[in-house]
Amino acid sequence: GNSVTQMEGPVTLSEEAFLTINCTYTATGYPSLFWYVQYPGEGLQLLLKATKADDKGSNKGFEATYRKETTSFHLEKGSVQVSDSAVYFCALSDQRNTPLVFGKGTRLSVIA
Amino acid sequence: DAGVTQSPTHLIKTRGQQVTLRCSPKSGHDTVSWYQQALGQGPQFIFQYYEEEERQRGNFPDRFSGHQFPNYSSELNVNALLLGDSALYLCASSLLGQERSEQYFGPGTRLTVT
Repeated sequence: GNSVTQMEGPVTLSEEAFLTINCTYTATGYPSLFWYVQYPGEGLQLLLKATKADDKGSNKGFEATYRKETTSFHLEKGSVQVSDSAVYFCALSDQRNTPLVFGKGTRLSVIA
Repeated sequence: DAGVTQSPTHLIKTRGQQVTLRCSPKSGHDTVSWYQQALGQGPQFIFQYYEEEERQRGNFPDRFSGHQFPNYSSELNVNALLLGDSALYLCASSLLGQERSEQYFGPGTRLTVT
């Protein structure tokens, strides 16, 4: 079945540091890939997505590229801010519009 | 444009009791999915409703049931609550007919079973 594996946290960075959160997936066919963010005490917000190989999703300075050859969708940001502190979830949904399959989440803490 | 709304925000129940959680989808959406997020874990899919029918179901026992109304809103019912049912329950809405439709999440209902 489909699955998502993402790096375990927590990740603690200083403000303006570079961020990478690794995500790899297992799926049949060509799934859509997503990064969701969950701020403390809140639900999930879609951060970015990519629907086919080599697509790059981007939003709010975050980027992730759909790499079919390595089955990966790593999240990156060049300069993190304290306000980026949250839990980040990598997820996939296959092309038949099936429900999302999530990774376990990575908690990011950014300190000033 | 109202997003996905859920009620109540928080709920405390006792083992063995029953609970009903409610969700209103984003305007224009016709499909509602429910997820359970245990503390420190990613959300797990419970089931999905479309046209008032359960369309897909995850690996959850029959104690978990749902309903979708003609206005597309939905309820999640859990019977015979266990301590392990304590979690954040998330509702997500989407448009089934749209290829690779995004799922929009509500803020969740935090259920505590004592």
